[in-house]
Formats: sequence, C-alpha cells, structure tokens
Amino acid sequence: DGGITQSPKYLFRKEGQNVTLSCEQNLNHDAMYWYRQDPGQGLRLIYYSQIVNDFQKGDIAEGYSVSREKKESFPLTVTSAQKNPTAFYLCASSYEAGEESQPQHFGDGTRLSIL
Amino acid sequence: GQNIDQPTEMTATEGAIVQINCTYQTSGFNGLFWYQQHAGEAPTFLSYNVLDGLEEKGRFSSFLSRSKGYSYLLLKELQMKDSASYLCAVKDSNYQLIWGAGTKLIIKP
Repeated sequence: DGGITQSPKYLFRKEGQNVTLSCEQNLNHDAMYWYRQDPGQGLRLIYYSQIVNDFQKGDIAEGYSVSREKKESFPLTVTSAQKNPTAFYLCASSYEAGEESQPQHFGDGTRLSIL
Repeated sequence: GQNIDQPTEMTATEGAIVQINCTYQTSGFNGLFWYQQHAGEAPTFLSYNVLDGLEEKGRFSSFLSRSKGYSYLLLKELQMKDSASYLCAVKDSNYQLIWGAGTKLIIKP
C-alpha cells in the first residue's frame, strides 16, 4: 500500500534536547512538507522540499531543521532553540509543488510534548 | 496579509444538510482545497476547485466564487461519521497552501 509513514506517533522532549521526527513516503512524490498544527489554528508550514538535496523555509522555520537526502525521506529535527515545541506535527507530500490541482497527502502525525 | 476564515464550530443533525463557508484573501489564487480531519488523525483530501461553480462528489459538493473570495462545502445526508473538522486551504501565487483554522462539525442523532 502506498502512503506516508510518520514515526513515532508520540514523542517527549526534555529541556535542551534535539529530537527528530521521521517521515517516509512510497508514493513517488517529488515534493514533501512539514506542518505544525496547534489548537484553534490553521496548519503552518515549517519547511518544504521540491527535490532531493534542496529545501526551503516555510513561515515558522526557526528552531527546526530538515534534510532531503533521499526522495522518500524528509526528517524534521526540533532543536532546543524551539522554545514552544508542543504541537501536532504533520508531514505531507505531493507530485509537484507547482502543480495547481495536485492535493497534498498526509501522514498520521507525531504529537510532541515537553517533559 | 493572507487570511482564510471559517466558522469555528457548527452543529447539525444526522440525515440533514450542512454548509460550511470559507472566505479568503490571499496573494494570488491557484486553487482551493477542502480536507476532512478526524480528531488526532491526518487530514484527508475531499475536493478541489479552481474555476467558479459547483463540484459534486457523492454526498459532498464544493462551490467556488473567485470574484467574492468565497467557497463552501456542502454535506448532504449527514452521517455520524461526518463528525470531524473541515479545513479550507488556498494555493497562493507561490503555489503554497494557506490553511484556515478549520470548522469542527458536530453531528447529533
């Protein structure tokens, strides 16, 4: 079955710790995205990548980092510089970022909390 | 700035019809998407509109008026499983999705 797999489902971060959220897709999509979802707010874009070895900052990139070494994988690291990391993190992918009609497909999300 | 407005919460009765509105102000327009999101789960794609008019897909329809910056999602023959949040998102001139905060739909028997 094709899809997007995020892991872990739940993650706890200690003070001063970096944590990495995994996102893998087998849909052969070119573009991948990371969003943050907070209660009562729309999804906010953290980073996106249109091709391997290239990625762009979204609206709220500070305190986060990503890599895109393989087409299938787009891990997100939440660094200790992100002072309010508690949120629901969603990874998405689509065929091409510039394609009008292509919807983004989402993974099941990772819920990150501070210990 | 870019803005998408949706009602925070709506309540409807099983078997009835409900219309969820979305108004937007974005820098450019390259299509509007509706997604359904059950609590704690991933959003799933429902519909896409880029031209004015109504798109029908089974019990769900979506309407767009670009001149008014307005869309609605119409759900017919409501079922309990339709209880979810409905997210409106617009692709701007940079082909980035701008998201509304979502409308939580509560279905009562």
